[in-house]
Amino acid sequence: SQKIEQNSEALNIQEGKTATLTCNYTNYSPAYLQWYRQDPGRGPVFLLLIRENEKEKRKERLKVTFDTTLKQSLFHITASQPADSATYLCALGALGGGNKLTFGTGTQLKVEL
Amino acid sequence: EPEVTQTPSHQVTQMGQEVILRCVPISNHLYFYWYRQILGQKVEFLVSFYNNEISEKSEIFDDQFSVERPDGSNFTLKIRSTKLEDSAMYFCASSVSGGAKNIQYFGAGTRLSVL
Repeated sequence: SQKIEQNSEALNIQEGKTATLTCNYTNYSPAYLQWYRQDPGRGPVFLLLIRENEKEKRKERLKVTFDTTLKQSLFHITASQPADSATYLCALGALGGGNKLTFGTGTQLKVEL
Repeated sequence: EPEVTQTPSHQVTQMGQEVILRCVPISNHLYFYWYRQILGQKVEFLVSFYNNEISEKSEIFDDQFSVERPDGSNFTLKIRSTKLEDSAMYFCASSVSGGAKNIQYFGAGTRLSVL
């Protein structure tokens, strides 16, 4: 069955450092992968989308890479700030069907002063 | 900025009762979704809806669940006879496009508590 794994333990980093979050998947050939941010008691908020034929995408302090051979995506937040503290979700999608997103369990990031 | 709105924010119901969760997607979006998240667990897909019909549903979305777009703005999820295990946060989402441009915008959710 499809499996999407993210760092299960919370990630604590110091302000100003780069946070790197990992998303690994098995038994899946996604056409695209997305990263979302979720704050407690709130819905996911879209951050970045990367397609299977793309290696890297950037948006301001965010960078995502996608390696379909390793079946892995890395999500980087540079110059991290306490306001970046949240849970980050990766979500995979396939073409066709109903556009469903399959989410990982998420990684909780805490940026400390 | 346009957003997906969901009502109510919290719904408490007795087991066996029917509930309707309501959503107003972003106005120019064409694709609509429901997801749920049991406390401490991952976000799970329930159903997607396009062109007035269900385009995909998960195993969770059994005969107790139904969706409807009763007018041009609302999108509802009905659970006919709630069970204790239906207690979760329910998220509505919408997107302009499907396929590889499928960026979904989520509402704040409805917390459903079944007693």
